[in-house]
This record gives sequence, C-alpha cells and structure tokens, in this order.
Amino acid sequence: EAQVTQNPRYLITVTGKKLTVTCSQNMNHEYMSWYRQDPGLGLRQIYYSMNVEVTDKGDVPEGYKVSRKEKRNFPLILESPSPNQTSLYFCASSPDGSPTDTQYFGPGTRLTVL
Amino acid sequence: AQKITQTQPGMFVQEKEAVTLDCTYDTSDQSYGLFWYKQPSSGEMIFLIYQGSYDEQNATEGRYSLNFQKARKSANLVISASQLGDSAMYFCAMREGMDSNYQLIWGAGTKLIIKP
Repeated sequence: EAQVTQNPRYLITVTGKKLTVTCSQNMNHEYMSWYRQDPGLGLRQIYYSMNVEVTDKGDVPEGYKVSRKEKRNFPLILESPSPNQTSLYFCASSPDGSPTDTQYFGPGTRLTVL
Repeated sequence: AQKITQTQPGMFVQEKEAVTLDCTYDTSDQSYGLFWYKQPSSGEMIFLIYQGSYDEQNATEGRYSLNFQKARKSANLVISASQLGDSAMYFCAMREGMDSNYQLIWGAGTKLIIKP
C-alpha cells in the first residue's frame, strides 16, 4: 500500500531532550516536506527536500533540523525541544515539486514538550 | 493578503443533503494546483480532490466535486448526499511553484458537522 508513515504518533517529552520524528514514504517520491499545525495559525512549512541530500528551509525552521540521506526517509530532529514546539507535525511527500502534484500526508505526530 | 480564504468557519448540514464549502484564492502564477483535504477529529490529513489551473473540466471524485471558476478565483468543494462520516475539518490549499518553496498554502478551514 502506498503510504507515508511517521513515528511516533504521540510523544510527550521534556525541555531540552533531543528527539527525532521519523518519516518514510514508499512511493519513490522526490519531494518531501514537514509541516506543523497549530490552532489559529494553520499549517506552516518547516523544511522541505527536493531530493536526496537537497534540503531547504520553509517558513518556520528555527529549532529544527532535517536530513535526506535516502530518498524514502526524511527525519525531523529537535535538538533541544522547547514548549513552543508543542504541536501536531505532518510529513508529506509528492512525486516532485510541481504545483500540480498532490502531496500525501503521514498520520501526524502529536508532540508535547513540558 | 490571504492567499487562500475560506469564509465559513463552521457549517451544520442535514444528513443526505448536498453541501458546498467555499474557497477563494489569490495568485499571479499561471500554473498552480488547488487541493481539498479532510481532517477528521483523529487528526490525519486526507486528500480528497485536486484541480489544476489548466484543467478545463471540473474535477470529480466519487461524492466530491470541485466547482472551479478561474476568472473568479474560486474553487468550491461540493459534497453530494452528505453522510455522518463527512463530519470533519475541511481545508482548501493551493500549490504554486519555486517562490513558495513548492509548499501547500492553506486556508483556515471549515468545520462541517452533519446532523442525523
């Protein structure tokens, strides 16, 4: 089944404790992206990747890192999480960056930073 | 200025009725895509339907159709014969090109509640 998977689905952590949210897609998509969703602010892009070893900042990259060593994986790293990073995180992928390509989303990761 | 505007924060609709969710957009690009996603209370983001800027016919996917009026820059979602399971948040989104980091630009969403 074609899908985007994320792990973990739920995570409660404490300030400063490094964490990684994994994202994997099995559709051979070149484009991958991370978004965060917050009440009243909608979905905002954190980082995106056009292909292996090609990543770039989105609108809200501060406090996050990403890597794209393999085409299928695009992990999101929070080196020192803070409470303002409490949010619902989505990974998405599409065949490439074309405006006409549909982005498919993972199930989301609910992160709480205490 | 808002790039995607959804003017209906919430809607109540009787089961089996058709419902139209409004979406207007703003772009100067010639090539763009318009998308509708459904987000149930469980939180996942489910793709429903897509319309390309060059598509001349309105998109349809089962009970979903998109009323695309390019000159008016509107892309309304029509759900026919609504069901209880249609209760969810619905987001309209637009994808442009490089200047927007190839990202989806989202509206604020419409909360749809289907009444039995």
